[in-house]
Amino acid sequence: GQNIDQPTEMTATEGAIVQINCTYQTSGFNGLFWYQQHAGEAPTFLSYNVLDGLEEKGRFSSFLSRSKGYSYLLLKELQMKDSASYLCAVRDSNYQLIWGAGTKLIIKP
Amino acid sequence: EAGVAQSPRYKIIEKRQSVAFWCNPISGHATLYWYQQILGQGPKLLIQFQNNGVVDDSQLPKDRFSAERLKGVDSTLKIQPAKLEDSAVYLCASIQKAGGSEKLFFGSGTQLSVL
Repeated sequence: GQNIDQPTEMTATEGAIVQINCTYQTSGFNGLFWYQQHAGEAPTFLSYNVLDGLEEKGRFSSFLSRSKGYSYLLLKELQMKDSASYLCAVRDSNYQLIWGAGTKLIIKP
Repeated sequence: EAGVAQSPRYKIIEKRQSVAFWCNPISGHATLYWYQQILGQGPKLLIQFQNNGVVDDSQLPKDRFSAERLKGVDSTLKIQPAKLEDSAVYLCASIQKAGGSEKLFFGSGTQLSVL
């Protein structure tokens, strides 16, 4: 079966750095997405990786290793507004998106 | 540009009642998705449309759920009759074309509570 694993919850301090990991086992691979979802709101797009390596976008970076079935989202200079759930999703060989359950990130002052 | 529009924002019904949700995707987006998201879980695909045709409805509980996108633009999702376990947020998303790096744009969702 297809599976995406993420930690359920993480806590970090304002101003610090946090890394959210995602491991996947899917039927084929056609890209990995990270979405941010604030409580009671819809997911919004953060990043997309299809090749191995690091993609940097401001305070957020996303890394992919296809051979290891592994990705992480790195958030720097954490702000209180970064408190949200972070969803990892993989596009499989049929171009269907397989979603993880999300990681709830709690930022403390 | 206008985003994905969904209505209603909230709905409370009793079990065995019927409910319908409406979605208007971003103009020009051919692919439309309906997702069910239970609290604390990731979105679960219910149905995917390409224009007005169904691409994937393998996870749609067809004995009670139905969806249509008659003119290839807006779409409705119906539940009849509703069960307690249908309490969730129903998200509509659209994409210009499926595949590649195209990202999904989500609507605000409809939060359904079945009592």
